[in-house]
Amino acid sequence: DSGVTQTPKHLITATGQRVTLRCSPRSGDLSVYWYQQSLDQGLQFLIQYYNGEERAKGNILERFSAQQFPDLHSELNLSSLELGDSALYFCASSLSLSGGFYNEQFFGPGTRLTVL
Amino acid sequence: TQLLEQSPQFLSIQEGENLTVYCNSSSVFSSLQWYRQEPGEGPVLLVTVVTGGEVKKLKRLTFQFGDARKDSSLHITAAQPGDTGLYLCAGAGNQGGKLIFGQGTELSVKP
Repeated sequence: DSGVTQTPKHLITATGQRVTLRCSPRSGDLSVYWYQQSLDQGLQFLIQYYNGEERAKGNILERFSAQQFPDLHSELNLSSLELGDSALYFCASSLSLSGGFYNEQFFGPGTRLTVL
Repeated sequence: TQLLEQSPQFLSIQEGENLTVYCNSSSVFSSLQWYRQEPGEGPVLLVTVVTGGEVKKLKRLTFQFGDARKDSSLHITAAQPGDTGLYLCAGAGNQGGKLIFGQGTELSVKP
């Protein structure tokens, strides 16, 4: 158990809909990262928040957005969903801005999103 | 753009055999992590290597970081069915703390 929690575990929805994925980081960690894992693209970095502020962006679609709240939990919002958005979405956390001294990140169990 | 290439993509071996997984890049990374992921679960951190030429051992697993910090390898001795899983290498990107992942090596160890 990494200490990172994610809800829900599974999510099934239809094209065009909007969903929210939730992540609680390990106790004491200030950085939260979101990654998408699909069969063809592997694990891809989406976005990073540190202590409530956006700090780095990857190839995140404009239809996707995220935020980190004062209690440090984070939400990833996916809207106008398409079939291709079906994937595993992981949240990871680390103590510091640069992922810890050695850039170590600890991953949650993921949310499996299926868009029908 | 920083990229990590892992090889092989798939590996199916018998229990007791040895294997090596490679992770290569043309870019220098400040550190490199190896993760193991089981189906339906999140990646679990195995080790972090930081210094060029560094070798770390975790029971039957040996991790090496290349001298130029552009490549790494994972060697498993006497593989066991419990070693089955997806092995991922990840390097610290040059933008914040994001990790750049290799495509992964799917290892299957048959009893």
